[in-house]
Amino acid sequence: GAVVSQHPSRVICKSGTSVKIECRSLDFQATTMFWYRQFPKQSLMLMATSNEGSKATYEQGVEKDKFLINHASLTLSTLTVTSAHPEDSSFYICSAKTGSQPQHFGDGTRLSIL
Amino acid sequence: KQEVTQIPAALSVPEGENLVLNCSFTDSAIYNLQWFRQDPGKGLTSLLLIQSSQREQTSGRLNASLDKSSGRSTLYIAASQPGDSATYLCAVDGGSGNTPLVFGKGTRLSVIA
Repeated sequence: GAVVSQHPSRVICKSGTSVKIECRSLDFQATTMFWYRQFPKQSLMLMATSNEGSKATYEQGVEKDKFLINHASLTLSTLTVTSAHPEDSSFYICSAKTGSQPQHFGDGTRLSIL
Repeated sequence: KQEVTQIPAALSVPEGENLVLNCSFTDSAIYNLQWFRQDPGKGLTSLLLIQSSQREQTSGRLNASLDKSSGRSTLYIAASQPGDSATYLCAVDGGSGNTPLVFGKGTRLSVIA
């Protein structure tokens, strides 16, 4: 079946650091990729929708200058958390889809900012 | 705006019991509905996907039903096992290419041996 690879799986870094998370669709071309965030004991909340070759669409309350999304190819999207602070510590998970096919999820990235 | 609600938020049952998890959604114009399993600190495992034209799907001890008109879905787990302990998430797909899944908050299931 379709596979989405997300790296890294775990990041621990100091406050003020920028962190890049990669999301790759390994065996299909993803026209759309989504980035979600999950705080402890909460559900997944959509952060942004990313279409290849165009600017990402951010959900209300998500700072586009802080969470930079690049979707330069049909198989790769990146999320960069700029100048991360402890409140950005969370579980970030991406998904990819093509057309009306179901979304396929990465395994997530646990980000811990000290 | 689509909203997904899951009841109960948490459930603890003894091993061997059959159980039902509930999911409701406010906008019945959906393309499909999925049930996922999430283990602590891990990603999502897709369990069952029901297309809007379907009434139910089965996989092993799991059975998911969908009543689109009433905005409800249930996940039935037969003969529960300690290995079933996880959080179960219901998610609705609005269908168009750019539509994300809308998730419920999940049901935390504990199956006690």
